[in-house]
Amino acid sequence: ETGVTQTPRHLVMGMTNKKSLKCEQHLGHNAMYWYKQSAKKPLELMFVYSLEERVENNSVPSRFSPECPNSSHLFLHLHTLQPEDSALYLCASSQGPGSLVSRGNTIYFGEGSWLTVV
Amino acid sequence: RKEVEQDPGPFNVPEGATVAFNCTYSNSASQSFFWYRQDCRKEPKLLMSVYSSGNEDGRFTAQLNRASQYISLLIRDSKLSDSATYLCVVTYTGRRALTFGSGTRLQVQP
Repeated sequence: ETGVTQTPRHLVMGMTNKKSLKCEQHLGHNAMYWYKQSAKKPLELMFVYSLEERVENNSVPSRFSPECPNSSHLFLHLHTLQPEDSALYLCASSQGPGSLVSRGNTIYFGEGSWLTVV
Repeated sequence: RKEVEQDPGPFNVPEGATVAFNCTYSNSASQSFFWYRQDCRKEPKLLMSVYSSGNEDGRFTAQLNRASQYISLLIRDSKLSDSATYLCVVTYTGRRALTFGSGTRLQVQP
């Protein structure tokens, strides 16, 4: 059983739809992340939450809206997406407030949500 | 210029071969270094951390050269199961998340 679970695993949505991706971590971590992985591109950091507070927003368009109701759950709300937003969206978590990742404190990923925008 | 650069490959090697990947990083304010492995259509998973003195984990050896700003991963006696994409990962002072390279794809052939 993975420590970070994401649902749904696959999502197809139209450009006018509103949907949400959900992430839950069972590791007792204090920081959670959303990453985007497009074909042949490096993982791109989207958002970082530490102790439920958003500490980093990596210039992500407003059609992506994160929500972190508590330290175990993270959502990514999707609204009026574009076809180029089709990608693998990965949630991750790490230990420690502030969660400056270090040698002894790496991050763990969920299995990802494959999003296709049509 | 990308902050973390890797040769995308693919590296096609026979079973039993030794293969090495390099990764260069451009920002000297780097703190920690990792190699992650990502199988096709799966999430990245930590393979190993990279220590200044170099470190080994079974068939895998990681090296760090801060002066030249690169890290390397050496895989000895390649197995079919080593086929994957290997991601070079760096953390930077003041940033709260990892910075990933695009990955190097390895295909081990029978």
